[in-house]
Amino acid sequence: EVQLVESGGGLVQPGGSLRLSCAASGFTFSSYWMHWIRQAPGKGLEWVSRLNTDGSITNYADSVQGRFTISRDNAKSTLYLQMTSLRAEDTAIYYCSRDLAGSRDSWGQGTLVTVSS
Amino acid sequence: DIVMTQSPLSLPVTPGEPASISCRSSQSLLHSNGNTFFSWYLQKPGQSPQLLIYFDSNRASGVPDRFSGSRSGTDFTLKISSVEAEDVGVYYCMQGLQTPYTFGQGTKLEIK
Repeated sequence: EVQLVESGGGLVQPGGSLRLSCAASGFTFSSYWMHWIRQAPGKGLEWVSRLNTDGSITNYADSVQGRFTISRDNAKSTLYLQMTSLRAEDTAIYYCSRDLAGSRDSWGQGTLVTVSS
Repeated sequence: DIVMTQSPLSLPVTPGEPASISCRSSQSLLHSNGNTFFSWYLQKPGQSPQLLIYFDSNRASGVPDRFSGSRSGTDFTLKISSVEAEDVGVYYCMQGLQTPYTFGQGTKLEIK
């Protein structure tokens, strides 16, 4: 069974940093592109970033470009999102998701990031 | 950026009745490999989103056959042949053709 488990969320002050992790199991992690997608409280879904299988290709939403860094450790089957210079508008549930045929076929339960003083 | 526009945003449905949700993309989602990079998701209350349909009309594993997807040009439709109580939640469309990947605003399906 495919499982994605996010962790690392929490309360952080504006301007602060946080690193999210997504532990994958039940599939060959190194064979899949992976994504981070977020959802602000009561709002819709917003794609944040994607990473290819070996970590050499990354893309970001304009809203996080230059502040967030996606990475992976295939030996640990783990996806990461390093977030810096956090703003109030970054407050959201962050989901990691697997890419399959251009869709997001598996999602984690999400981890909540709250940016507030 | 590709804009995805859903309608309606709210959909009250009587159990056993059919339901239909529309999504329009601002440009073609046809990939050079011949597939259309469009998908539908359902986010049930308090849960993460789950994939329903990919490549505009292919049901994901485990999705009941009362769900179907279709396309006409840049207009996409999700149909539920007979709504059940467990179908409540917010439905999202998404384009997976180019970054930034974009979602529709969401359609909230509720039971009358």
